[in-house]
Amino acid sequence: EADIYQTPRYLVIGTGKKITLECSQTMGHDKMYWYQQDPGMELHLIHYSYGVNSTEKGDLSSESTVSRIRTEHFPLTLESARPSHTSQYLCASSGLAGDGDYEQYFGPGTRLTVT
Amino acid sequence: AQSVSQHNHHVILSEAASLELGCNYSYGGTVNLFWYVQYPGQHLQLLLKYFSGDPLVKGIKGFEAEFIKSKFSFNLRKPSVQWSDTAEYFCAVYSTNAGKSTFGDGTTLTVKP
Repeated sequence: EADIYQTPRYLVIGTGKKITLECSQTMGHDKMYWYQQDPGMELHLIHYSYGVNSTEKGDLSSESTVSRIRTEHFPLTLESARPSHTSQYLCASSGLAGDGDYEQYFGPGTRLTVT
Repeated sequence: AQSVSQHNHHVILSEAASLELGCNYSYGGTVNLFWYVQYPGQHLQLLLKYFSGDPLVKGIKGFEAEFIKSKFSFNLRKPSVQWSDTAEYFCAVYSTNAGKSTFGDGTTLTVKP
């Protein structure tokens, strides 16, 4: 099993609250990703990072922000949660830079409900 | 922009039936291809992957996939499914130029015992 962790696993929160979803990996991977996935739907890439101090927006526009101050840590923040943010958020990481391994390892996900 | 299309959203089979899930992608550059599986209540995990070489790749649990470059396809197959194969299956394409993966919208496989 991959060493990638997400907390919390489930979160129910009121509209307007600020939340941070945590993601950590212990594999030394340079690349990390955040996906949004609604039940039975495809994964949408919302943020990714190639390494420390590198962050990029993904294919799906998102009001969330990310930071990458340490290799192992890639938190996602919503400044003001709204019901439209209700979804599952999956964190993933891949390979070591330059080794050609682009297989992604996924965390268990955070299921967010905004009331 | 690259895209990935999975032909079947929901497949229902009886045990011992053969399985083929279609996946087509649209991207002309160098790609790496993957099938991921998500069993109920578990993490998304790798089933198999193709980087180069033999276009027929074998993965875990008796799954295999064939890369047909001329058809931009990477179909997943298993000759005889089991009830434990009930899961959601995602095809993904990694573009080395873009530096990121694109996932299909998934196929839910239900195997009846």
